[in-house]
Amino acid sequence: ETGVTQTPRHLVMGMTNKKSLKCEQHLGHNAMYWYKQSAKKPLELMFVYSLEERVENNSVPSRFSPECPNSSHLFLHLHTLQPEDSALYLCASSQDWRDGAFFGQGTRLTVV
Amino acid sequence: RKEVEQDPGPFNVPEGATVAFNCTYSNSASQSFFWYRQDCRKEPKLLMSVYSSGNEDGRFTAQLNRASQYISLLIRDSKLSDSATYLCVVGTNNNDMRFGAGTRLTVKP
Repeated sequence: ETGVTQTPRHLVMGMTNKKSLKCEQHLGHNAMYWYKQSAKKPLELMFVYSLEERVENNSVPSRFSPECPNSSHLFLHLHTLQPEDSALYLCASSQDWRDGAFFGQGTRLTVV
Repeated sequence: RKEVEQDPGPFNVPEGATVAFNCTYSNSASQSFFWYRQDCRKEPKLLMSVYSSGNEDGRFTAQLNRASQYISLLIRDSKLSDSATYLCVVGTNNNDMRFGAGTRLTVKP
């Protein structure tokens, strides 16, 4: 399925690096999400954008900075991350809160 | 109390068995409910929405009890391909969707 595409699929970065994760959805949805999935923990909602406006920010450290330039694209800018930030970062989109969300394949991030 | 709680399992069942998963949620303002499935090292995929009247999709039946803040998923005649982690998801009308930690199912021949 190519409805929600994330790049890169894998990323290794040092603690002083700056990198960005990209998400693109081809489903015509108007809400996009960033989730973090760490080993043996539930998916953690990080950010929600609805109609390109951020509507949710779950106390995420400022070293994670989201950007939603339009309804089809979502970025997560990363800087000065810590090793405990290593996880699978999943992007999702939805048309309506009643319909559920569709996920991209994720970016597996390792901070060294 | 966790926002969405699930029995982590694992559930190990033989092919053809019936298995049931339970989930409870803490936010009484929740308005949307889903079951997702996640295969190892893959993204979660929407399995089915859950409605107050209950709904069925083939071998899968989902139930919602709003008064008890409880959701269930029943899988009948389980197949090897049903082996996965099943995630309970609860949402509000501001697109805030919260996931449970998941219940792991292994179906054995």
